[in-house]
Amino acid sequence: QKEVEQNSGPLSVPEGAIASLNCTYSDRGSQSFFWYRQYSGKSPELIMSIYSNGDKEDGRFTAQLNKASQYVSLLIRDSQPSDSATYLCAVRRAPNTGFQKLVFGTGTRLLVSP
Amino acid sequence: DGGITQSPKYLFRKEGQNVTLSCEQNLNHDAMYWYRQDPGQGLRLIYYSQIVNDFQKGDIAEGYSVSREKKESFPLTVTSAQKNPTAFYLCASSYRAKDTGELFFGEGSRLTVL
Repeated sequence: QKEVEQNSGPLSVPEGAIASLNCTYSDRGSQSFFWYRQYSGKSPELIMSIYSNGDKEDGRFTAQLNKASQYVSLLIRDSQPSDSATYLCAVRRAPNTGFQKLVFGTGTRLLVSP
Repeated sequence: DGGITQSPKYLFRKEGQNVTLSCEQNLNHDAMYWYRQDPGQGLRLIYYSQIVNDFQKGDIAEGYSVSREKKESFPLTVTSAQKNPTAFYLCASSYRAKDTGELFFGEGSRLTVL
């Protein structure tokens, strides 16, 4: 079982729709969760972080966390063609001491059609 | 403008050659990281440095070496011992050593072994 799992996609949605991207993780002790956006051929860019159960909204983006189910999701409202990219889920472990390693999923490719 | 500069963007190497990828940041960040990205795989951590003159191996350090002589610079050498070096290499930094999830990435260096 991978530490962080994402459906590779592509997830295709029409312009204006809500895109829902999902991520599950295996380490129940994980404390911090991040979403990065990566355009084709470019480097990742941090778009959302979430640390507590529930929802966190930032503009058109909403991150949702359910630690009991070990599940984190990213909703993109009013999807635009410019949102077409690969979205990487990243989870930070919480060791007792030392370096808090970040583990990335393989990413979900989102395609938003005009 | 502050940011992370990686060079070269594209690099071709013959088998048996060592190559060095440059990474410079002017964000005054304490920590720096090198990740490798291969198609269909998540970002994998090669090396990280939480402070000047100190660095630690990540998950896939074999065949790589780094140095951190200056806060701004964290070069990565891909040695001939790395069996499959063709990949997209990403340098990242974080403001503090503990901010391992809040990463700023450079534009990446794409290495191809001929």
